[in-house]
Amino acid sequence: AQKITQTQPGMFVQEKEAVTLDCTYDTSDPSYGLFWYKQPSSGEMIFLIYQGSYDQQNATEGRYSLNFQKARKSANLVISASQLGDSAMYFCAMREGGKLIFGQGTELSVKP
Amino acid sequence: EAQVTQNPRYLITVTGKKLTVTCSQNMNHEYMSWYRQDPGLGLRQIYYSMNVEVTDKGDVPEGYKVSRKEKRNFPLILESPSPNQTSLYFCASSPGGLAGPEQYFGPGTRLTVT
Repeated sequence: AQKITQTQPGMFVQEKEAVTLDCTYDTSDPSYGLFWYKQPSSGEMIFLIYQGSYDQQNATEGRYSLNFQKARKSANLVISASQLGDSAMYFCAMREGGKLIFGQGTELSVKP
Repeated sequence: EAQVTQNPRYLITVTGKKLTVTCSQNMNHEYMSWYRQDPGLGLRQIYYSMNVEVTDKGDVPEGYKVSRKEKRNFPLILESPSPNQTSLYFCASSPGGLAGPEQYFGPGTRLTVT
C-alpha cells in the first residue's frame, strides 16, 4: 500500500491565486514528520516546509503553509499568491523512523 | 559554503561494470541518504545512514551497496549495474540522526546503464 499519496499528477493555477496541493499519508507510528519539496526544471530539490506529528500548529513558511489534518492523515500544501517561478514539481514526503518516503509528485504550472 | 557534492554528475556505463558514485558533505551531518528518482515514481530511498558505521536499507536497496566509514562521505556502489538502474540519483544529508527539515540535497547524478 502507498504510504504517501499525491492524487494530482498535474495542476494549473492562475498567477496571484492560491493553490492547494494534496497529500495523504499512512502510518501507525505516532512519531513522524511530513515534508514538502519543490523540484524546478533545473532538477535540484528545494525544501519548503516541515510539520512534525506532535506539532500543534500548522507550519507556515512565507507563502507556503501546510494544512495538517492528523485525523484524516492529510498534509496539504497551500501556496498563496502564486508566482510564475512556482511552476515546478512538488513532492510530499514522510519521515518514518530513519526512512524518508516520497509521494509521486504533482506538477504545478502557473499561468500568467 | 554548506553543500552536498556528488561525483560524477553524469555517467554512461555498460551492464556489469562496477561503479561508485561519491557523496560528500561539509556540514558535519550525522544523517545521510541515497535516493533514486524515476518518472512517475517520485524519489525512492535506497539506503540511509544515521551515523558512522550505521547503515540501513531503504525501500529499493537491491543491487546497491553503501558504506559510511567517515562522517562526511557516503558512497553508493553498484557492483554489477543493470539497465533498470538507469536513473537520477540524489544524495542528501541532515543534522541529527534522522531526516530532518534541514535536509540538504546534492545536485544529482544522472546514470545511464546500457
